[in-house]
Amino acid sequence: TQLLEQSPQFLSIQEGENLTVYCNSSSVFSSLQWYRQEPGEGPVLLVTVVTGGEVKKLKRLTFQFGDARKDSSLHITAAQPGDTGLYLCAGESSSSNTGKLIFGQGTTLQVKP
Amino acid sequence: DTAVSQTPKYLVTQMGNDKSIKCEQNLGHDTMYWYKQDSKKFLKIMFSYNNKELIINETVPNRFSPKSPDKAHLNLHINSLELGDSAVYFCASSQRGEGNYGYTFGSGTRLTVV
Repeated sequence: TQLLEQSPQFLSIQEGENLTVYCNSSSVFSSLQWYRQEPGEGPVLLVTVVTGGEVKKLKRLTFQFGDARKDSSLHITAAQPGDTGLYLCAGESSSSNTGKLIFGQGTTLQVKP
Repeated sequence: DTAVSQTPKYLVTQMGNDKSIKCEQNLGHDTMYWYKQDSKKFLKIMFSYNNKELIINETVPNRFSPKSPDKAHLNLHINSLELGDSAVYFCASSQRGEGNYGYTFGSGTRLTVV
């Protein structure tokens, strides 16, 4: 069974601080996606990374895919209260052609003003 | 325009009842999914249809039956509801093909079985 371990599970920081969320597995993924979910809503796609070592930036968010395509990280610079939410990583197995995504357990981020 | 819409948003029902959740997407995607999110926010896939064909059927009780009348619709019917079925159910869609395409999720259906 493929698993994605996300850490930390909870993070409470002050506005302006930096943070990193990690997503790790022993399995290889053909791609890895990051989603953000707000209460009462479905997850919203932030980014997809597909190439080992790939780095993508989305304003203050930086996403990296590990060289071996087994892990990923999300770094937020100068966090703002609007960044508060549940962050989910999800991977598509390299041996699957069904589009099935395996999700990590999520990181609940609270940014205090 | 809503991309993936689910109805109802909230569903409260008694044990033993049968209920359905409907999902529609207007994105032209060829693949649709049902995911269950438990109280710890963990998302687990249940079913997936590609162009009306069932392609993923995880270990889900037989009381759960998906139905896709066309590629824009994927409904979920649940028989003999149990307390443990209480969760948030998300419908999602994506376009399969070369490369990778993210999911577009609906806003979820919160099912409470009492």
